[in-house]
Amino acid sequence: TQLLEQSPQFLSIQEGENLTVYCNSSSVFSSLQWYRQEPGEGPVLLVTVVTGGEVKKLKRLTFQFGDARKDSSLHITAAQPGDTGLYLCAGDETSGSRLTFGEGTQLTVNP
Amino acid sequence: GAVVSQHPSRVICKSGTSVKIECRSLDFQATTMFWYRQFPKQSLMLMATSNEGSKATYEQGVEKDKFLINHASLTLSTLTVTSAHPEDSSFYICSAPLAGGGETQYFGPGTRLLVL
Repeated sequence: TQLLEQSPQFLSIQEGENLTVYCNSSSVFSSLQWYRQEPGEGPVLLVTVVTGGEVKKLKRLTFQFGDARKDSSLHITAAQPGDTGLYLCAGDETSGSRLTFGEGTQLTVNP
Repeated sequence: GAVVSQHPSRVICKSGTSVKIECRSLDFQATTMFWYRQFPKQSLMLMATSNEGSKATYEQGVEKDKFLINHASLTLSTLTVTSAHPEDSSFYICSAPLAGGGETQYFGPGTRLLVL
């Protein structure tokens, strides 16, 4: 079973600050996905990265896949209270197969 | 994008009863669906892989007789929690990969189960 270590687990920051969430593994993933989950709801896909070294941007969010496809990061610029939520990374060994989830990062952005 | 629904969204039941949760892919067919359990402030834990037309594959430590999975059609998978107990109280979420969509999986909104 592949393991994904996600850090930090909890993060509380002020509006306007920047932050980075990390997702690391000793194993190689064919792809890695980032999700955001609100309380009482299912995870919502933010992005999928598949190519080593790939960088994707989604407004103030920047996602990077490591060159070796073992790690990924999510950087949020100028965080807003609406960014508050549980951020989850998940990787799979083979396209369309079962996902392995990281432990999650609970982000709170205070106004 | 693709949509996955779950029913019911919330259920409260007495200890010892069985509860069925449905997961439907609304605008695409899913030969495979996944069932997860999530406890408060924790990540998702994969319980089993539901396969259309064949037996489900359960993760280590998950009792197949306790959590019955039936994937009767290409758009519906059901999870039945049999003889539920308070420790089964959790948030149950299903997901389905979009065939031909590569790695993307779409998640249902989840079902909150409370066993009294």
